[in-house]
Amino acid sequence: EDKVVQSPLSLVVHEGDTVTLNCSYEVTNFRSLLWYKQEKKAPTFLFMLTSSGIEKKSGRLSSILDKKELFSILNITATQTGDSAVYLCAVESGNQFYFGTGTSLTVIP
Amino acid sequence: NAGVTQTPKFQVLKTGQSMTLQCAQDMNHNSMYWYRQDPGMGLRLIYYSASEGTTDKGEVPNGYNVSRLNKREFSLRLESAAPSQTSVYFCASKERTLGKPQHFGDGTRLSIL
Repeated sequence: EDKVVQSPLSLVVHEGDTVTLNCSYEVTNFRSLLWYKQEKKAPTFLFMLTSSGIEKKSGRLSSILDKKELFSILNITATQTGDSAVYLCAVESGNQFYFGTGTSLTVIP
Repeated sequence: NAGVTQTPKFQVLKTGQSMTLQCAQDMNHNSMYWYRQDPGMGLRLIYYSASEGTTDKGEVPNGYNVSRLNKREFSLRLESAAPSQTSVYFCASKERTLGKPQHFGDGTRLSIL
C-alpha cells in the first residue's frame, strides 16, 4: 500500500526561527515528490523533486530528497507570520498522487 | 488566468439528495483529478482521468461517479449523499509531461445533513 507520512503534525514557532518539516514515503512507482503550501483555499505548489533534481531552493525555503532513505525535508529559515499554513507533501506514483496529512505551522510574532 | 475553476463554492444537502460538482480548467491539461480533504486525513484521491475519455478509481471512490465531459471539464457526482461525504472537495489538473505539478481549484465545501 502506497503511503506518505508527515511529521510533526503541528508546530508553533516564533518569528525568525528555523523549522524543518519531514516527509517519508513508501510507494511502488516513484516519479516525484512535491511540497505544497495550503492557507485558506487551494494548495499552492512550492517544489518538485525528482531523481534528476534532489535539492531545490527558493528564497528562505529549501528542500532535499533522499531517494535511498525514502524521505524529504522542507526547511524554512527566518520564519515570518506569512509562513503560517499547512504544508503538504505528495508523492507521484504512476498516474496518482499520494498526500500526507500535512504539517500545520503557526508562526507567532 | 482562471486556471482550475470549481462550482459551487459551498453547498448544503440533505441525506439522499444528489449533486454534481463541476470542474473546468483552461490550461489544456490532459490529466484531471478529484480529491476530498477531511480533518486529519490529508487529501485523498476519489477519481482521476489521465486523458479525455478515460477515468479511473482512486483511494476512496465508493459513493461517487465522474464524467470527463471533454478535455476541459471533469465533474463529480454524488448520487445519494450521505453525512460521511461531508468534506471539502478539490479538483486538480496536470500536464501529461513528467515533472509537472498539479494545479488545484479553490475547493467546494459540501455539508450533508
